[in-house]
Amino acid sequence: AQTVTQSQPEMSVQEAETVTLSCTYDTSENNYYLFWYKQPPSRQMILVIRQEAYKQQNATENRFSVNFQKAAKSFSLKISDSQLGDTAMYFCAFMNPSLIQGAQKLVFGQGTRLTINP
Amino acid sequence: DGGITQSPKYLFRKEGQNVTLSCEQNLNHDAMYWYRQDPGQGLRLIYYSQIVNDFQKGDIAEGYSVSREKKESFPLTVTSAQKNPTAFYLCASKALSEQFFGPGTRLTVL
Repeated sequence: AQTVTQSQPEMSVQEAETVTLSCTYDTSENNYYLFWYKQPPSRQMILVIRQEAYKQQNATENRFSVNFQKAAKSFSLKISDSQLGDTAMYFCAFMNPSLIQGAQKLVFGQGTRLTINP
Repeated sequence: DGGITQSPKYLFRKEGQNVTLSCEQNLNHDAMYWYRQDPGQGLRLIYYSQIVNDFQKGDIAEGYSVSREKKESFPLTVTSAQKNPTAFYLCASKALSEQFFGPGTRLTVL
């Protein structure tokens, strides 16, 4: 079974700083998807970024980028020029696409609570 | 607007009562999911459905039941057999590799 671990329960940085959230996972699969979701105080889950394991290039979405290290099974999220609106819980998640469509559940880490201070 | 709706936003239940959480989507997605979120933890899968009239247990299905009579709807019933039902419940539907989440229901057992 796959597991996802986020070792930083809480982090806090000043506005405009860069912050990196860590995530490690365990799987025997060669192809899979990795995700970072953001959950602001509203508790709505919002997809931040997605990485496909077969792609060597790290995914980037505006101020958000990942450092995907497949051999090390590491998937960190970097937030550049952090903003007050980035304050949220961040969850790392894993999906196995080799399963039939509906069985492709997300396996989540425990989350990191990120606070951006003014 | 396309999306997923969950109702109610807050739900209170007395011990021993069953309660049903609603989840509706107009995204035309076949697959739908129910997750439970507890403080300090990630989401855990309760049940999922690949298609109408089909559903499968997830990792923590005990004390829960679901139905999938329509593509748009996937209600979750929290039964009296669920020993610790107080939690935040999230419904999701899936297209290709991405899951879309509803706004959630906070269930509190009094």
